[in-house]
Amino acid sequence: QSALTQPPSASASPGQSVTISCSGTSSDVGTSTFVTWYQQHPGKAPKLLIYEITKRPSGVPDRFSGSRSGNTASLTISGLQAEDEADYYCNSYVNNKMIHVFGTGTKVTVL
Amino acid sequence: EVKVVESGGDLVQPGGSLRLSCEVSGFSIINYCMHWVRQAPGKGLVWVSRTCPGGIADYADSVRGRFIISRDNARNALYLQMNNLRVEESALYYCVNLAYSDEKWGQGTLVTVSS
Repeated sequence: QSALTQPPSASASPGQSVTISCSGTSSDVGTSTFVTWYQQHPGKAPKLLIYEITKRPSGVPDRFSGSRSGNTASLTISGLQAEDEADYYCNSYVNNKMIHVFGTGTKVTVL
Repeated sequence: EVKVVESGGDLVQPGGSLRLSCEVSGFSIINYCMHWVRQAPGKGLVWVSRTCPGGIADYADSVRGRFIISRDNARNALYLQMNNLRVEESALYYCVNLAYSDEKWGQGTLVTVSS
């Protein structure tokens, strides 16, 4: 099972928005309810930002939002802040194999 | 307080075996699918395996046949028996109740496969 495809990097200035894509197939991102997004700072464990495609766990700011169109999921960070500089990963359940797969990861830089 | 604590990581030779443990407190794993995820130094996250209520176990293609995941609901613990380890499997191994709204990650346990 190949990793989901994410852009290696993304950047924007403070206060602007950045959107990260996560491309998969009709067997995973395109049809799975279980699409999640993570933020990871250096030396830290991943932190859940979005679950079930669009939902935010308690405590995650509403600056973070998730969506899906076709076989591509997206994470949008609005009102970018310095502390948002981190690596971001998507994950999806793969329906026909009963496994999960992570994205390749995107490094977000706040200019 | 919810805590997830992985242990068992060590230096092992290629072809060797290792058993990882994950102790959970603050929630009962009996209601959750529990997963192992690994991350090699400087690399991305890789899903390894999961076990769900009822004993279902699933594996990434790269580890199927060599790794065995298990759970002890009474001890609220998760395990990963890793056999025939490869150099490229050196990584920080995390235990997590993946994809739930109350998902909780541990700090990981380091496995180094080297001669």
